[in-house]
Amino acid sequence: GQQLNQSPQSMFIQEGEDVSMNCTSSSIFNTWLWYKQDPGEGPVLLIALYKAGELTSNGRLTAQFGITRKDSFLNISASIPSDVGIYFCAGRETSGSRLTFGEGTQLTVNP
Amino acid sequence: DAGITQSPRHKVTETGTPVTLRCHQTENHRYMYWYRQDPGHGLRLIHYSYGVKDTDKGEVSDGYSVSRSKTEDFLLTLESATSSQTSVYFCAIRDRGNTDTQYFGPGTRLTVL
Repeated sequence: GQQLNQSPQSMFIQEGEDVSMNCTSSSIFNTWLWYKQDPGEGPVLLIALYKAGELTSNGRLTAQFGITRKDSFLNISASIPSDVGIYFCAGRETSGSRLTFGEGTQLTVNP
Repeated sequence: DAGITQSPRHKVTETGTPVTLRCHQTENHRYMYWYRQDPGHGLRLIHYSYGVKDTDKGEVSDGYSVSRSKTEDFLLTLESATSSQTSVYFCAIRDRGNTDTQYFGPGTRLTVL
């Protein structure tokens, strides 16, 4: 089935730094979703994107639906300790009916 | 919060025993999903339901069955648990007003010894 390549796998940053992560696919997607998962909990939806080129913000988080429709990006500005967690991308292919998930980016923020 | 609960939250069982996990939602969503989460694999779809008594297989359905006799409950059954089914299981619902956005429950951690 479709694979999503999410990078980087892990990041170690200092509080206050900006963070960027991305997700790429080999086929065209109609939807991109970004989730955050804290230890012992379920993924929580951060941002949903539905159109190529769309740029959407949620507080300090900004995500973009790539123009090629094969990628998406998530940026976190001025990171804080509570940003620690695993960030997942997910998307639906044009020809598909189900979501495919990336393997996640583990973010560590040092105070 | 999409009003999703899962039970039990943790379970340890032995190989060969049957196990049933329950997902309960309070907001009358039509679509419900069961995923498993394992290191190196992300979230993988096991089964999903598109209405009462309407279910279909996902990408990793072998060894699992599901039932949905009421809108609010979606059950996942491992008929004879194996060690390879040790995982964290998440239930999700699809947003009523959107075709793709899914919201997840808190998860069930299952260990098969």
